[in-house]
Amino acid sequence: DVVMTQTPVSLSLAIGQPASISCKSSQSLLGTSGKTFLNWILQRPGQSPKRLIYQVSKLYSEVPDRFSGSGSETEFTLKISRVEAEDLGVYYCWQGTHFPLTFGSGTKLEIK
Amino acid sequence: QVQLKESGPGLVQPSQTLSLTCTVSGFSLTSYNVHWVRQPPGKGLEWMGVIWSGGNTDYNSALKPRLSISRDTSKSQVFLTMNSLQTEDTGIYYCNRNLNYWGQGVMVTVSS
Repeated sequence: DVVMTQTPVSLSLAIGQPASISCKSSQSLLGTSGKTFLNWILQRPGQSPKRLIYQVSKLYSEVPDRFSGSGSETEFTLKISRVEAEDLGVYYCWQGTHFPLTFGSGTKLEIK
Repeated sequence: QVQLKESGPGLVQPSQTLSLTCTVSGFSLTSYNVHWVRQPPGKGLEWMGVIWSGGNTDYNSALKPRLSISRDTSKSQVFLTMNSLQTEDTGIYYCNRNLNYWGQGVMVTVSS
C-alpha cells in the first residue's frame, strides 16, 4: 500500500498568517493516464470531511482561492495564503492513483 | 443537491455482523461510485471499499475477507456488511461519492 506521510502533525497560527502542509508518498502518484491523483480534504471539528483540492492543484468551486496545492511525483504541498478562523480542523491528503486508496495521518490546524 | 446519509445500529456485539445503509439523493448510483471510509475515535481515515457505478466492487485487502458492499439502485441505497467485528472496528463509518460528497457518518461501537 502507498504510505502517505504528512508534516507537521499540528500547526498553531494566528489569523492572517500563511500555512504550509507537506504530504509525501512512498510511490509516485503519477498515473498511467498522465494524471496525478493527489487530493486534499478538511475535517472541521465534529464534522465529516469536505473536499478542497483534487489532482494536486485544482480547487473545487466552493473553495476560497487562499488555498493552493502544488507538487509532483511523491512530494506535495497545501498552502493557505492567509489563515482564517474557518480554516481550523484536520487536513488530510489522500491518493487515488493506487489501490487501496490511502490517507495521510492528518495535520491539525489550530487558530491562536 | 447531492446528499448521502448513513444509518445502522450504533452498538454491535463482538464477533457479530455490522450492516449499514447509505441512502443517497441528488444523483444516480449507476452514474457515480460510492465509497466507504471509516475513522476510529480520535484517529485518521481508512478507506474500506467502493462500489463502482457499473456495480463492481473493490475492497481494502485488509478488510476483504470480512467486507461486502452491495446496492439497490431502485432505492438509491448502498449497503455495507462486515462480519466478525472486534473492538478495533469501533469508529465512525462514512459513505461518500468519490470522496467529494460525504455523509454525516454513523458511529458504531463494538462492545458487549
